[in-house]
Amino acid sequence: KQEVTQIPAALSVPEGENLVLNCSFTDSAIYNLQWFRQDPGKGLTSLLLIQSSQREQTSGRLNASLDKSSGRSTLYIAASQPGDSATYLCAVPDSSYKLIFGSGTRLLVRP
Amino acid sequence: NAGVTQTPKFRILKIGQSMTLQCTQDMNHNYMYWYRQDPGMGLKLIYYSVGAGITDKGEVPNGYNVSRSTTEDFPLRLELAAPSQTSVYFCASSYSAGEQYFGPGTRLTVT
Repeated sequence: KQEVTQIPAALSVPEGENLVLNCSFTDSAIYNLQWFRQDPGKGLTSLLLIQSSQREQTSGRLNASLDKSSGRSTLYIAASQPGDSATYLCAVPDSSYKLIFGSGTRLLVRP
Repeated sequence: NAGVTQTPKFRILKIGQSMTLQCTQDMNHNYMYWYRQDPGMGLKLIYYSVGAGITDKGEVPNGYNVSRSTTEDFPLRLELAAPSQTSVYFCASSYSAGEQYFGPGTRLTVT
C-alpha cells in the first residue's frame, strides 16, 4: 500500500531564504507526482506535476525534482517571500489514479 | 472556464439530518473524486468515479453515497449526519492520470 510522508511537518524561515521541502513515497511505481499549495481555510492549488519519466519541473521560483528509484521528491522554493506561507502537500496516484496525500509541510516565511 | 465548483461553501447540520454536497466541473474530465480533510490532517478519499455511471469506494466511504449521471456532476450525499463527519470536503477532477484540479471546498459542521 502506497504511503506518502512529508518532512518537515512545519518550517519557519526568514524572508529571502532558499528552502527545500521533502516528500517520500514507499512504492516507486508511480505515474506522476503532484505538489499542491493550500492556504488556511482554502482549497488546494496545483503547483507542479512531474510525470514519472521526468526528473524535474520548474515554475517561476519553484522547482520540483523526482527520484523514483529512491522514492523521493523535493520542492525547492527560491528567494522565499511572506506570500509563500502556506501548507504544501505532495501526492501520488495509485493504480486507479486516486491521489495518496502526504500530511503536508506548514511553511511560515517571516518578513 | 470555471474549473471545479462546489456548493454550498459552509453548512451546519444537526445529527441525523441529510444533505447533498454539489460538485460540477466544466473541463470534460472523466475522473472525479471526493476527499475529506480533517483539521491538521491530510486528505482522505471518500468516493471516486471514472466516468458517468461508474463509481467506486475510496478509503473512507462509510456514511456517504454518490452518483454520477453526467460527466459534469458528482454529488456527495450524507444520509444520517454524525459529528464524525464534521470536516472540509473537497471535490476534484482529472483526465485519467493527469493533473487533478480541486474545488474550493465545503466546510461542514455536524452538531
